[in-house]
Amino acid sequence: KNQVEQSPQSLIILEGKNCTLQCNYTVSPFSNLRWYKQDTGRGPVSLTIMTFSENTKSNGRYTATLDADTKQSSLHITASQLSDSASYICVVSRFSGGYNKLIFGAGTRLAVHP
Amino acid sequence: GAGVSQSPRYKVAKRGQDVALRCDPISGHVSLFWYQQALGQGPEFLTYFQNEAQLDKSGLPSDRFFAERPEGSVSTLKIQRTQQEDSAVYLCASSLGLDGDTEAFFGQGTRLTVV
Repeated sequence: KNQVEQSPQSLIILEGKNCTLQCNYTVSPFSNLRWYKQDTGRGPVSLTIMTFSENTKSNGRYTATLDADTKQSSLHITASQLSDSASYICVVSRFSGGYNKLIFGAGTRLAVHP
Repeated sequence: GAGVSQSPRYKVAKRGQDVALRCDPISGHVSLFWYQQALGQGPEFLTYFQNEAQLDKSGLPSDRFFAERPEGSVSTLKIQRTQQEDSAVYLCASSLGLDGDTEAFFGQGTRLTVV
């Protein structure tokens, strides 16, 4: 079954600290892996997109890693800010039926406290 | 427009009522997706359009759900005879590429509450 699982479900950290979110997937055939940030009441916004051959990609204080062999990804947030409080969703793109279908994880809800 | 626009932002419907949710994608974007997001969950795929063609509707939960994109731009998701389990946020996303592989841009969603 094509699934994306994320951990932890929720996380609280203090402002300025780092954190790492995990994603495991069983999606096949794999096209690419994306991390999205979703603020409360808003639509998801893309942070990174990685293909099979990429094992790390950064976007400012966000760094995503991908291990295609173990089918694991992580999102590392450095020097967290209050505005980082949001849900972070791991999404795997699966090529099927002539197009890429996005399979979403349930997200990790991050709260950054002052 | 500058981004994907969805309307209304909030909709309260009485059980049994029909509703129509609108999505204005980014101009020129070929691919358009509809998703359903339950509280505390990730979005679940509903349907996919490539221009005006509905290529995949496998995620529509029942025949009460219907989506169209007649001119390959604006899309409407219609839910007939709404039920309480239809309460969710409905997200629309568009992307430039033909196969949906390029970056997807999401609207803010329509929060539907069925009472």
